[in-house]
Amino acid sequence: DTGVSQNPRHKITKRGQNVTFRCDPISEHNRLYWYRQTLGQGPEFLTYFQNEAQLEKSRLLSDRFSAERPKGSFSTLEIQRTEQGDSAMYLCASSPPLSGGIYEQYFGPGTRLTVT
Amino acid sequence: AQKVTQAQTEISVVEKEDVTLDCVYETRDTTYYLFWYKQPPSGELVFLIRRNSFDEQNEISGRYSWNFQKSTSSFNFTITASQVVDSAVYFCALSEATGTYKYIFGTGTRLKVLA
Repeated sequence: DTGVSQNPRHKITKRGQNVTFRCDPISEHNRLYWYRQTLGQGPEFLTYFQNEAQLEKSRLLSDRFSAERPKGSFSTLEIQRTEQGDSAMYLCASSPPLSGGIYEQYFGPGTRLTVT
Repeated sequence: AQKVTQAQTEISVVEKEDVTLDCVYETRDTTYYLFWYKQPPSGELVFLIRRNSFDEQNEISGRYSWNFQKSTSSFNFTITASQVVDSAVYFCALSEATGTYKYIFGTGTRLKVLA
């Protein structure tokens, strides 16, 4: 099985620029999550998709953040007008349908964003 | 509100020692799931174990074992005969059993296994 993939792995951008990250979940995983992890902390939930529907957004997801999952396959996370506080590792995870009785999430390698 | 506390920031052990990582959680839900993940230096979170709130049976899987006690809201994880390759940050996570099943993570425990 191919795992969750994320691109790019690293992104360095200047403050004020827009960035977009991509996540390709494990095939047939209809549930997809985005998390953000800052240095020395555990990941924090950002948003959740079930198929193509975005069902929950954290308060951490400000208006500058937008996520999509067209056709219920890959997902993108866009940050507009980046700020230095956006510097973090952005993690994507996927999970199969709940009917399968599997509740754990499988994580990608993450995209490390540095805003200068 | 749900919360996960990992009070141990960093632990150092010598290879072949046993080590226990502590996790204490808070939730008002009666049904929930608990997980342990490993994050090696490469950064990718690797799933280790899952426990359902209604199953307090403790198990052993190879060098890993866990102790789940609802009475003290603890879900501790033990590595027996530690190896250098076990060096990583270990995260405990809690998820609701309804809705999105999103995770609430602890702050992690960095384990260093010295040769």
